[in-house]
Amino acid sequence: DQQVKQNSPSLSVQEGRISILNCDYTNSMFDYFLWYKKYPAEGPTFLISISSIKDKNEDGRFTVFLNKSAKHLSLHIVPSQPGDSAVYFCAASRGTASKLTFGTGTRLQVTL
Amino acid sequence: EAQVTQNPRYLITVTGKKLTVTCSQNMNHEYMSWYRQDPGLGLRQIYYSMNVEVTDKGDVPEGYKVSRKEKRNFPLILESPSPNQTSLYFCASSLTPPGLAHNEQFFGPGTRLTVL
Repeated sequence: DQQVKQNSPSLSVQEGRISILNCDYTNSMFDYFLWYKKYPAEGPTFLISISSIKDKNEDGRFTVFLNKSAKHLSLHIVPSQPGDSAVYFCAASRGTASKLTFGTGTRLQVTL
Repeated sequence: EAQVTQNPRYLITVTGKKLTVTCSQNMNHEYMSWYRQDPGLGLRQIYYSMNVEVTDKGDVPEGYKVSRKEKRNFPLILESPSPNQTSLYFCASSLTPPGLAHNEQFFGPGTRLTVL
């Protein structure tokens, strides 16, 4: 049972435009949500996170939005750059936050 | 340099031959985890550890064992590997629980395991 879902396996965006990556979850007990970025042949790296008491968190070009009623979060990248081309994973946790559940990932391609 | 190291990076083995993938971190982190990445399934947590001698199951623990005898090391043991354990494995560590907001979990470079 996939509790965290990323329904778009891939996304292509032109450089300078906005990239929007989506993530849906089914467990209403999740407290924290995180985004990781992964380049080929490397481990994932932490990008940005949000707790369930907030609906938005911003860090430079990256903003995460959380809609608890819809059980949906999204990552906005503005403006998109070629170096943003990677696989993006959303993840969620609850309670003690030791257990982390990841989505299936979205491959973002930023074209020139 | 702060890092998580894994060895080996690549391994091809046969069904039933016990193997260990080592993981070490030099950041004095309390929390360590093992994940596997499979096409169409994303990353799934196998086991995690909150401190020395404290471990717990993640989402897919079957067929794996772990131990945490020292803070810096968290080996993953496959007692009797099977072909369905062919995957890309990542070790990770963090100072606080990995799912906490604003917490940064550091991942190793990955170990690609093939079980024939």
